[in-house]
Amino acid sequence: DADVTQTPRNRITKTGKRIMLECSQTKGHDRMYWYRQDPGLGLRLIYYSFDVKDINKGEISDGYSVSRQAQAKFSLSLESAIPNQTALYFCATSSAAANSGANVLTFGAGSRLTVL
Amino acid sequence: AQTVTQSQPEMSVQEAETVTLSCTYDTSESDYYLFWYKQPPSRQMILVIRQEAYKQQNATENRFSVNFQKAAKSFSLKISDSQLGDAAMYFCAYLNYGGSQGNLIFGKGTKLSVKP
Repeated sequence: DADVTQTPRNRITKTGKRIMLECSQTKGHDRMYWYRQDPGLGLRLIYYSFDVKDINKGEISDGYSVSRQAQAKFSLSLESAIPNQTALYFCATSSAAANSGANVLTFGAGSRLTVL
Repeated sequence: AQTVTQSQPEMSVQEAETVTLSCTYDTSESDYYLFWYKQPPSRQMILVIRQEAYKQQNATENRFSVNFQKAAKSFSLKISDSQLGDAAMYFCAYLNYGGSQGNLIFGKGTKLSVKP
C-alpha cells in the first residue's frame, strides 16, 4: 500500500457542487499539506497542518477548506466548485524530526479534478 | 518572500549524454533546504536529491548531482548518462530551515525529453 493515499484519483463534477478530496498516510508524519498543480505554474500550497489542532492557509486558500480529522487524515473541500479549480491536487506529508529525512515531503499520487 | 525560478521550460538530451537543469532562488535566509523533484508521466512526485544550505559539499545520488552556489543563489541539477526513464518534469524547490512556515516553494518546472 502507498504511504500517502489520495481518493479519488480522478473526478469530474459540475459547477456549484461540493467536492471533498481525501488523504490518508501511514508514515506517522505530523505535517500534512495540500498543493495544487496547474500547467506552467508548478505546485502552489493551498493549506498545511503541523498537527491535528494546527491549520494554516497557504498561498491560494480562497475557495477551499480543510479538515485534519486525525494525525493520519487530511481532507480538502471545495464548497462550491468552479471551472478554474480544475487542476491536479496533491497531498503531501513530512516530519520535522531531526534525521536525514526531516522536512522531505512525501507526495500522494494526485487527484485530478475537472469542474465543468 | 522567497521565490524559485527555473528559466528553462523545456530541455532535451540524447540518451547516455549529460544535461544540466538550472534553478535560481531568492531568499534573505541563511539556513534552508533545496530539493529537486521529478514528475514522470505517471504524475507521481519523486524526490531526486536534497541539499542543506549549511553544507558546502554538493549532494549526489547515483547519476544525479547538484551544483550548489550559495552566494549566487543557484542550485542546478546535473543528470549524467541520461536514460529514457529520466524523461519527466523536474521541479526545483526551496524550504526554510526550521520549517515554521511549512511551505515548500516550487519553481514552475522544466520538461526534460530524452532522445534514444
